[in-house]
Amino acid sequence: KQEVTQIPAALSVPEGENLVLNCSFTDSAIYNLQWFRQDPGKGLTSLLLIQSSQREQTSGRLNASLDKSSGRSTLYIAASQPGDSATYLCAFSGTYKYIFGTGTRLKVLA
Amino acid sequence: NAGVTQTPKFRVLKTGQSMTLLCAQDMNHEYMYWYRQDPGMGLRLIHYSVGEGTTAKGEVPDGYNVSRLKKQNFLLGLESAAPSQTSVYFCASSYERTGELFFGEGSRLTVL
Repeated sequence: KQEVTQIPAALSVPEGENLVLNCSFTDSAIYNLQWFRQDPGKGLTSLLLIQSSQREQTSGRLNASLDKSSGRSTLYIAASQPGDSATYLCAFSGTYKYIFGTGTRLKVLA
Repeated sequence: NAGVTQTPKFRVLKTGQSMTLLCAQDMNHEYMYWYRQDPGMGLRLIHYSVGEGTTAKGEVPDGYNVSRLKKQNFLLGLESAAPSQTSVYFCASSYERTGELFFGEGSRLTVL
């Protein structure tokens, strides 16, 4: 069974800290990996999409990497801000669908 | 550009009642999906569609039906609601099978 694991489940950091969120998956035959942000009571907002031929993607203070051989992806957030507080989910696409992790709940303290 | 729009956003049902959730996208996407999100379980795929007139079952299809009569709309129906269907339902769409997913804001359903 294909699974996605996100560790830690929750994280609290002081403002300004650089942090790494981890995502691991069991199926190395993935097509794409996508990172999302979800605010309380809201839908998922796409942050970064890494296609299977790529190793990383960057957008502003966010950098996501993909290592298919080890089944891991990381989301790096530089100089964290209170506005970054949200739940971050990763999902990888298999044959016909995306499989989601349960997310990391991030709180950045001012 | 509205993206993916879901209606209604909130609904309370009694056990046994029926209802339909509507998802509309204006991005000309071929692929559309219905997920449910429950605490500690992540998002689980209910049904999906790879184009107008086609639908397929996902991980947790029991108790739900779907239709895709128009490319831009994907309907999720509950024929006889059960308390176990209390959840937040999300619609998503993508241009390609493994392309970037775009989500709606969600529909919170409570079944009493």
